[in-house]
Amino acid sequence: EADIYQTPRYLVIGTGKKITLECSQTMGHDKMYWYQQDPGMELHLIHYSYGVNSTEKGDLSSESTVSRIRTEHFPLTLESARPSHTSQYLCASSGTAERGGRDTQYFGPGTRLTVL
Amino acid sequence: KNQVEQSPQSLIILEGKNCTLQCNYTVSPFSNLRWYKQDTGRGPVSLTIMTFSENTKSNGRYTATLDADTKQSSLHITASQLSDSASYICVVSDRGSTLGRLYFGRGTQLTVWP
Repeated sequence: EADIYQTPRYLVIGTGKKITLECSQTMGHDKMYWYQQDPGMELHLIHYSYGVNSTEKGDLSSESTVSRIRTEHFPLTLESARPSHTSQYLCASSGTAERGGRDTQYFGPGTRLTVL
Repeated sequence: KNQVEQSPQSLIILEGKNCTLQCNYTVSPFSNLRWYKQDTGRGPVSLTIMTFSENTKSNGRYTATLDADTKQSSLHITASQLSDSASYICVVSDRGSTLGRLYFGRGTQLTVWP
């Protein structure tokens, strides 16, 4: 079991609220990622980070923002939630390169967000 | 267009039976291919990883194959158990960028009945 944690696991909020989804990993990984996943659909990368003070937008446009002040912590914030933000948000991290030259990503359990 | 296509979309089998899941991809240049298992309400967990030179990899009752020429992979599950019920996701990585971009399939939803 990977040591990557997400809180809350489930969140139901009203439109216009500001929320922060927490993600922490204890593996010392330098790279961290946020994905968005709708039921029956593929994961879409929305943010990633190579390390502290490094953040980049992913392939899927998202109104959320992220920060990376500490290696182990990669929170995602929505300033004003809308029903279109309803989805599952998965955090992942990767570290030492494996044979084959690419890191394996370890995923957290996800946060299921519902915006009413 | 998704560059990783999986089939079937869903599959129901009886406990103890074998099954094979398929993955076709168009990702290029290819780096590696992973199969992940995602239980309902959980994050994906890596089962196998294969690079260009590998054509089979086993992990317990899971055996993955890769044909890099035809860009196809399969995941064979032997003697299925109820705990195998999950979504199985094929993930292909390219080597054209520093990030090692991942391309995700939509997954095959496997249900194992007693």
